[in-house]
Amino acid sequence: QVQLVQSGAEVKKPGSSVKVSCKASGGTFSSYAISWVRQAPGQGLEWMGGIIPIFGTANYAQKFQGRVTITTDESTSTAYMELSSLRSEDTAVYYCARAGGFGELFPFDYWGQGTLVTVSS
Amino acid sequence: DIQMTQSPSSLSASVGDRVSITCRASQGISNSLAWYQQKPGKAPGLLVYATSRLETGVPSRFSGSGSGTDYTLTITSLQPEDFATYYCQQYYSTPQTFGQGTKVDMK
Repeated sequence: QVQLVQSGAEVKKPGSSVKVSCKASGGTFSSYAISWVRQAPGQGLEWMGGIIPIFGTANYAQKFQGRVTITTDESTSTAYMELSSLRSEDTAVYYCARAGGFGELFPFDYWGQGTLVTVSS
Repeated sequence: DIQMTQSPSSLSASVGDRVSITCRASQGISNSLAWYQQKPGKAPGLLVYATSRLETGVPSRFSGSGSGTDYTLTITSLQPEDFATYYCQQYYSTPQTFGQGTKVDMK
């Protein structure tokens, strides 16, 4: 059974950066794309970007280009999402999610539990 | 980007009711459409993919249909555990985009 376990909640100052981890177990990590999806309080779901570990090249939503970096460490089956220049509007729950096929364009069949990032002065 | 317009944004229903939620894409997405269920404080869970295929373990009271730009999630005989928020998602092209959600609550 595939599990994605994310790092814990973070409180950050405006202008700083946050790095959230997502450790996978129970499946073949390298072949499946991992995406990051965020959800602001009371709002819907927003795709930020994704990566296929075996290729190592990330693809980002234009909205986050230049501020987000998605990486993986195949040796630990862990994906990371770093978001910089944080502002209050970045306060949200951040999810990692696995695409259910080889490639990015598949539905998300497994999700992490979510990581709350709060940006506040 | 492909815009996904979901309706209604909320609905009230009773146990046993038949419920339908629609999703319209701003362009054709070739059945690359998924539905997710989300309960408060939890991550979304995949219900339906490829328009009409049920994810393993999803009860048969859920069904999906549609083509081109218009898609529907139907719940026949709503159960107490089905009160939740539902999202559609297109995965036809990057960026994958979601509808704004439909909250199903108890009448």
